[in-house]
Amino acid sequence: QSVLTQPPSVSVAPGQRVTISCTGSSSNIGAGYEVHWYQHPPGTAPKLLIYANNNRPSGVPDRFSGSKSGTSASLAITGLQAEDEADYYCQSYDSSLRAWVFGGGTKLTVL
Amino acid sequence: EVHLLDSGGGLVQPGGSLRLSCVASGFIFSDYVMSWVRRAPGKGLEWVSTITRLGNTYYEDSVKGRFTISRDDSKSTLFLQMNSLRAEDTAVYYCAKTAGGPTEDWWIDYWGQGSLVTVSS
Repeated sequence: QSVLTQPPSVSVAPGQRVTISCTGSSSNIGAGYEVHWYQHPPGTAPKLLIYANNNRPSGVPDRFSGSKSGTSASLAITGLQAEDEADYYCQSYDSSLRAWVFGGGTKLTVL
Repeated sequence: EVHLLDSGGGLVQPGGSLRLSCVASGFIFSDYVMSWVRRAPGKGLEWVSTITRLGNTYYEDSVKGRFTISRDDSKSTLFLQMNSLRAEDTAVYYCAKTAGGPTEDWWIDYWGQGSLVTVSS
């Protein structure tokens, strides 16, 4: 059971918008630690999508955005494309565990 | 351009040892925190270990006492020495360049291609 909870899967039609939630607690997201998001397509290395809650690295399209409120965070993807099919993970730091933690991952399927 | 080249994976019996290496290029290696992250078959990403610029080390609970992270800044190389390996350590291990400030708010901005470690008899 992951410290950060994500929905196991989401399915969305091309061109639509999807949000992926990441729910934590008072020892991680709720304690003020930043949330970061990664995309992991099959057979390749993971890629950084969002860092420090809502910042996009250069090269990441503005279709991807992040937000954080209280003990939760969200990743939003607009204008879904077939190439967006991948596993998505949130990540933060947990002060009780004294460890960096990932969410369980969400498999995004573009119908 | 940042490159992280993982190597050293393979098949090892339970209780055995393996040493992973990661050669970095495209950035000043000694200036950055580095980490290892793994993904077991059918499971999600899991943080394994981190080493700071000054050599301070951190480990996930299940690998404490068995794995050792180290770095050779003169060769821009990161290592993970894995001893007493168990079946549940089977995973693709990713070398990771770690970004962020002086606190625990770190994230991974670049990943290696991964090195498969299989622990089986």
